[in-house]
Amino acid sequence: KAGVTQTPRYLIKTRGQQVTLSCSPISGHRSVSWYQQTPGQGLQFLFEYFSETQRNKGNFPGRFSGRQFSNSRSEMNVSTLELGDSALYLCASSQLTNTEAFFGQGTRLTVV
Amino acid sequence: AQSVTQLDSQVPVFEEAPVELRCNYSSSVSVYLFWYVQYPNQGLQLLLKYLSGSTLVKGINGFEAEFNKSQTSFHLRKPSVHISDTAEYFCAVTLNTGNQFYFGTGTSLTVIP
Repeated sequence: KAGVTQTPRYLIKTRGQQVTLSCSPISGHRSVSWYQQTPGQGLQFLFEYFSETQRNKGNFPGRFSGRQFSNSRSEMNVSTLELGDSALYLCASSQLTNTEAFFGQGTRLTVV
Repeated sequence: AQSVTQLDSQVPVFEEAPVELRCNYSSSVSVYLFWYVQYPNQGLQLLLKYLSGSTLVKGINGFEAEFNKSQTSFHLRKPSVHISDTAEYFCAVTLNTGNQFYFGTGTSLTVIP
């Protein structure tokens, strides 16, 4: 069974640009969550999608958005990039509520 | 509000010695508890979880944790560590309203040969 796949693995963008990250969950998993990991703030929850609906949202500005498709694949978009958006973005998928989350290897975003 | 506190940011330990990584949480509702491990430039891998039942939970790679409701703790233990256990360890909780994980700030475990 394939794991959670995130693409791309590495990304370099310039301030002011926008970026889209992709996440393919484990087959059969309907919940996809996104996290931002930085040395200063640690792991912070961005949002969760379940069956194409955003179920939970963290405390991030509106520049951070996401969506989920009917095949459960999810994308995360960050507009008007800032230097502080440089981070490892992790995607996690779950089969049911409150079971373990399976994490992808992450996308390392660097904003210059 | 929910929060997770990992009391030690760095833990050095000699190879084959025992180790305990501490985790405390605060929540006004019931929580589910997890420990994850992260190796450099990798995602998170589940070590073990507590959802209900026995308070002593065994996980992969010889790790175990004990849920203590009265002390709101979920400490991770291993009786004998190996060099390969060097990594970052995260304690996390979720509520029953979804799959939002609240993570601690992590404990960097360094195993010294």
